[in-house]
Amino acid sequence: EVQLVQSGAEVKKPGESLKISCKGSGYSFTNYWIGWVRQMPGKGLEWMGIIHPGDSDTRYSPSLQGQVTISADKSISTAYVQWSSLKASDTAMYYCARRDGLTHFIYWGQGTLVTVSS
Amino acid sequence: QSALTQPASVSGSPGQSITISCTGTSSDVGGYNYVSWYQQHPGKAPKLMIYDVSNRPSGVSNRFSGSKSGNTASLTISGLQAEDEGDYYCTSYRSSSTLGVFGTGTKVTVL
Repeated sequence: EVQLVQSGAEVKKPGESLKISCKGSGYSFTNYWIGWVRQMPGKGLEWMGIIHPGDSDTRYSPSLQGQVTISADKSISTAYVQWSSLKASDTAMYYCARRDGLTHFIYWGQGTLVTVSS
Repeated sequence: QSALTQPASVSGSPGQSITISCTGTSSDVGGYNYVSWYQQHPGKAPKLMIYDVSNRPSGVSNRFSGSKSGNTASLTISGLQAEDEGDYYCTSYRSSSTLGVFGTGTKVTVL
């Protein structure tokens, strides 16, 4: 069974760093792109970026380029999103998903809620 | 990057059919047959309902169907049921972006 399991909810202060994870199982992790989606409170879905764990080829949304770092460790079938200095505006639910076609992602993680507040 | 345009809300009575539109440009919806639709219930991850304009993933009810005409894609839900309530998002490949683009989202209410 294909599964993507994300790390738990986080509460952080502005300026702190954070790394959240998404562990894949039940399939060959290196064969599929993993995408990350942000959903701010009460708002719609927004692509953040996508990574191919096989060669770490990474593409970012222009609006988030430089704000986050997406990475993957294929040895443990895990993808990450990392912030070096969080802002209150990073408060959101973050989802990872496996890319099965150009625009279709069948398998999703359960989401990681990140709250940034002083 | 500008989002695809969807109506903010659509409603219908149980058993009726509703259609959600998703309007883009010739650089995305109109130019490629790569439009997908996702359903999202409150507090849950999105669920793929339609991909490549009109294909249903395994396990998705045949009450859901997709189509496209010009720069507008559509999702039709027939035989509306209470469990169909939720938010629906379209997404399309866009020539200027590897990631594609989401629609603004539509809240479906079953009256």
